[in-house]
Amino acid sequence: DTGVSQDPRHKITKRGQNVTFRCDPISEHNRLYWYRQTLGQGPEFLTYFQNEAQLEKSRLLSDRFSAERPKGSFSTLEIQRTEQGDSAMYLCASSWEAHDNEQFFGPGTRLTVL
Amino acid sequence: QKEVEQNSGPLSVPEGAIASLNCTYSDRGSQSFFWYRQYSGKSPELIMSIYSNGDKEDGRFTAQLNKASQYVSLLIRDSQPSDSATYLCAVEPDKLIFGTGTRLQVFP
Repeated sequence: DTGVSQDPRHKITKRGQNVTFRCDPISEHNRLYWYRQTLGQGPEFLTYFQNEAQLEKSRLLSDRFSAERPKGSFSTLEIQRTEQGDSAMYLCASSWEAHDNEQFFGPGTRLTVL
Repeated sequence: QKEVEQNSGPLSVPEGAIASLNCTYSDRGSQSFFWYRQYSGKSPELIMSIYSNGDKEDGRFTAQLNKASQYVSLLIRDSQPSDSATYLCAVEPDKLIFGTGTRLQVFP
């Protein structure tokens, strides 16, 4: 399968715990995006990378959130000291900048904070 | 604050009819426009992209763009029950700004 993959697909954690999600983009894509989606809303931008450089981070993103893409391939998103308000679907998308930047989404990681 | 507006619906159409989904956006500098389909509990799936004024057709789907009116639409011809989903309008450059989506219901 050559699509975007995410791991884990589901994560249940207790408030205050740290969680880390992984995203593997489509192999030839140089851009990687993280979005968050809650029920009844469209996806909300969190951050994005071009190769290994983090180019933009949403002002809505608290300091508890950090993302990396160390070798310009897979990316991780870490949430420290989780809160109940962090419960959402975390979506990763990738694109090839030169190809009209069409973004393709992975299956998402559903986070539930108890 | 850049915004994308969609009617949340639901939009109910009979099987075989044309479904018309609409979207407006606030940033006049936007250059790229996308429609995603999202089934309940699944991630968004790209179905159409459009970059210039006018119509773009792909199978049963037609995207329409009017930059002067800051308006994007999606027409689905010969609607099928399998088209029942939420349709998300998204605008960029770089990061996508999404609307809240329009829920489409196609009944037999």
